[in-house]
Amino acid sequence: QKEVEQNSGPLSVPEGAIASLNCTYSDRGSQSFFWYRQYSGKSPELIMFIYSNGDKEDGRFTAQLNKASQYVSLLIRDSQPSDSATYLCAVNRAGFQKLVFGTGTRLLVSP
Amino acid sequence: KAGVTQTPRYLIKTRGQQVTLSCSPISGHRSVSWYQQTPGQGLQFLFEYFSETQRNKGNFPGRFSGRQFSNSRSEMNVSTLELGDSALYLCASSADRGETEAFFGQGTRLTVV
Repeated sequence: QKEVEQNSGPLSVPEGAIASLNCTYSDRGSQSFFWYRQYSGKSPELIMFIYSNGDKEDGRFTAQLNKASQYVSLLIRDSQPSDSATYLCAVNRAGFQKLVFGTGTRLLVSP
Repeated sequence: KAGVTQTPRYLIKTRGQQVTLSCSPISGHRSVSWYQQTPGQGLQFLFEYFSETQRNKGNFPGRFSGRQFSNSRSEMNVSTLELGDSALYLCASSADRGETEAFFGQGTRLTVV
């Protein structure tokens, strides 16, 4: 079992729709959770982080965390073609700076 | 505020050679982590340095090494290069260890021929 699992996609959504990206993790010691966006040929860009159970909203992005179910998700509202990228889920144990990444979900937003 | 700076951006090396990559973190950040990204394996953790000390190490052979200087700048070295070392090497900077956000540099694309 991989430590962090994501559906590789591609996830295709029309412009203006909500994109829902999911991630599960196996290490119950994980304390912090991150979503990175990576465009082809570029480095990962941090877009959201969440440390506590529940929802965290930032503009069009909402991160959701359920530690009991070991599940993290990212919702992108009003998806735009510019959101087309690979989204990487990463988790970190408390006291460490050692991100464990999923393989990423490729999102395609069609005009 | 300047971001994370990695040099060089691109490198082509021959098998058996060694290479040194450099990373300057965001000003004030003391933690620097290194990752390797390949199409097959994704992003994998190499090691993390904090206050000039290696705190964490991933599952890579001893050919991969690093260090951090007193100004928090970090270098990683790969000796006896193999074809499989071709990858994007990414450096991440964070303010402290633990539950803080990490920001990536643009990466160094290494090609081993």
